[in-house]
Amino acid sequence: AQSVAQPEDQVNVAEGNPLTVKCTYSVSGNPYLFWYVQYPNRGLQFLLKYITGDNLVKGSYGFEAEFNKSQTSFHLKKPSALVSDSALYFCAVRDPREGNTPLVFGKGTRLSVIA
Amino acid sequence: EAGVAQSPRYKIIEKRQSVAFWCNPISGHATLYWYQQILGQGPKLLIQFQNNGVVDDSQLPKDRFSAERLKGVDSTLKIQPAKLEDSAVYLCASSLSRGSTQYFGPGTRLTVL
Repeated sequence: AQSVAQPEDQVNVAEGNPLTVKCTYSVSGNPYLFWYVQYPNRGLQFLLKYITGDNLVKGSYGFEAEFNKSQTSFHLKKPSALVSDSALYFCAVRDPREGNTPLVFGKGTRLSVIA
Repeated sequence: EAGVAQSPRYKIIEKRQSVAFWCNPISGHATLYWYQQILGQGPKLLIQFQNNGVVDDSQLPKDRFSAERLKGVDSTLKIQPAKLEDSAVYLCASSLSRGSTQYFGPGTRLTVL
């Protein structure tokens, strides 16, 4: 069964500094990987996804993520953090081999960008 | 393009009462999902529809939860009777097809007292 781990409950970064939110996954085959962001009292908002191809995926709001198969990781990154990036970030994985498998989410990482 | 719509946004009920949530997916999206998000956790899939048919309801507590998607568009999720542990945010999502990117609504925050 597929699973996702987000090892950090909270990440703090100063505005203007680079940020990284970590995600590792467990899937038997080649995974479909996603990042979503959740602002207070809002639903999840799609940021980016990896299906196949280039390991570096660019998404919304200047975010990018790097797929690393050997480390089974899909860390979310941004070169220069903004205070408005403060939110809850979820990594999710799906195994496309097994028919209609659901999207499995990590528990989330709260990002706090300090001015 | 309009996003996924959900109502109500907030609901407070007492245990053993019933409650219903409504979802209108993005136009043209064949697949609709209901998730439960308990505080401090990631969303967990409750049920998935493809048009008006159920594809996956393996994690739906069927003794108290039910859902339908009549005419393959709008969907309702019902809890009857509610328990304290049902307090959560209920998220609806839709996608063009099974396996394509899911887009989420704002959610309904349910508090069971």
